[in-house]
Amino acid sequence: EVQLVESGGGLVQPGGSLRLSCAASGFTFSDYYMDWVRQAPGKGLEWIGRIRNKANNHIAEYAASVRGRFTISRDDSKRTLYLQMNSLNSEDTAVYFCTRDSYGSGDAWGQGTLVTVSS
Amino acid sequence: DVVMTQSPLSLPVTLGQPASISCRSSQSVVHRDGNTYLSWFQQRPGQSPRRLIYWVSKRDSGVPDRFSGSGSGTDFTLKISKVEAEDVGVYYCMQGINWPYTFGQGTKLEIK
Repeated sequence: EVQLVESGGGLVQPGGSLRLSCAASGFTFSDYYMDWVRQAPGKGLEWIGRIRNKANNHIAEYAASVRGRFTISRDDSKRTLYLQMNSLNSEDTAVYFCTRDSYGSGDAWGQGTLVTVSS
Repeated sequence: DVVMTQSPLSLPVTLGQPASISCRSSQSVVHRDGNTYLSWFQQRPGQSPRRLIYWVSKRDSGVPDRFSGSGSGTDFTLKISKVEAEDVGVYYCMQGINWPYTFGQGTKLEIK
């Protein structure tokens, strides 16, 4: 069974940093592109970043809203995806989901982890 | 960015009746590989999103056949043949051809 489990969310002050993790199981993690999607409270879905697989050099791409502040990485040996978030502001408050990218969209999603940016 | 526009944004439906959601993209979402990268997601209250449809009309494993997708180019539709109580939630279309991927605003389906 494909499983994605996010962790690392919590309360952080404006300007602070946080690192999220996503542990994958049930599939060959190294074969897939992996993405991060977020959802602000009561709002819709926003795709914020993607990291390609090893065959495509682990290239990461970002939405304009997070480019330069967020960094996506992965450790295929640990089957884990990461999201390093710096210079956080209130607009980054959201539930963050990791997803497995298949046929151009997420066919598997984690349960999400809540990040709250507040003083 | 490619803008995805859904309608309606609110959809009250009687149990057992059909439902239809429209999605329009600001640019073509047809890839040079010939596939059209348009997906549909369902998000039930308090749950993570779940993909229902990819490549316009391909149902994901385990998705009931009352869900169907159609369309081409820039205009797409998700249809539910007979709405059941478990279909309550928000439905999103999404394009996966131009980075960043973008979602529609969401359509909230509720039972009348």
